[in-house]
Amino acid sequence: KQEVTQIPAALSVPEGENLVLNCSFTDSAIYNLQWFRQDPGKGLTSLLLIQSSQREQTSGRLNASLDKSSGRSTLYIAASQPGDSATYLCAVREAGSYQLTFGKGTKLSVIP
Amino acid sequence: NAGVTQTPKFQVLKTGQSMTLQCAQDMNHEYMSWYRQDPGMGLRLIHYSVGAGITDQGEVPNGYNVSRSTTEDFPLRLLSAAPSQTSVYFCASNPRWASGEKTTDTQYFGPGTRLTVL
Repeated sequence: KQEVTQIPAALSVPEGENLVLNCSFTDSAIYNLQWFRQDPGKGLTSLLLIQSSQREQTSGRLNASLDKSSGRSTLYIAASQPGDSATYLCAVREAGSYQLTFGKGTKLSVIP
Repeated sequence: NAGVTQTPKFQVLKTGQSMTLQCAQDMNHEYMSWYRQDPGMGLRLIHYSVGAGITDQGEVPNGYNVSRSTTEDFPLRLLSAAPSQTSVYFCASNPRWASGEKTTDTQYFGPGTRLTVL
């Protein structure tokens, strides 16, 4: 059974810092991996999607990388801002499956 | 587009009551799904549908029922509510599911329904 782990569970950084969030998965036979953002009391917003054949995706200050063979993905946030404060979740879709398996998320706090 | 909408936003039930959580999307997406989110457990898939008339079970389907009569709507029914079903429920949709190489697999989530079962 696929398991997705996100470390750390919580992270607090001062504004302006660059930071990295980590996601690991146990079964490398994935179709794609997505990073989501969730604000308190809200739904999830997709940030980046990386297909299994891709190494990275970029959107603005966000860069996500994927190393399928080692079962790891990172989300890099450049020049963090207080508005980046949220919970970040990664989810993998396995090859041949419709199901997304989510990690439990990293709660990020960016201190002004 | 309104995106993915869910009603109600909050609901309190007594044990044994039944209810339906509504989900609708106006993006003509083929794939729709229901998740529940619990502290310390992450999001878990309850049921999903790959098109009108087609549904299947996810990881935690017991106690829930779904149907998909139209592309737009995907209601989730709680048959006999139990305290273990206290959770936040999210509906999600996806435009194309593994159809061709350039599939758009981005999930769009609704705002959620916070359900408490006493």
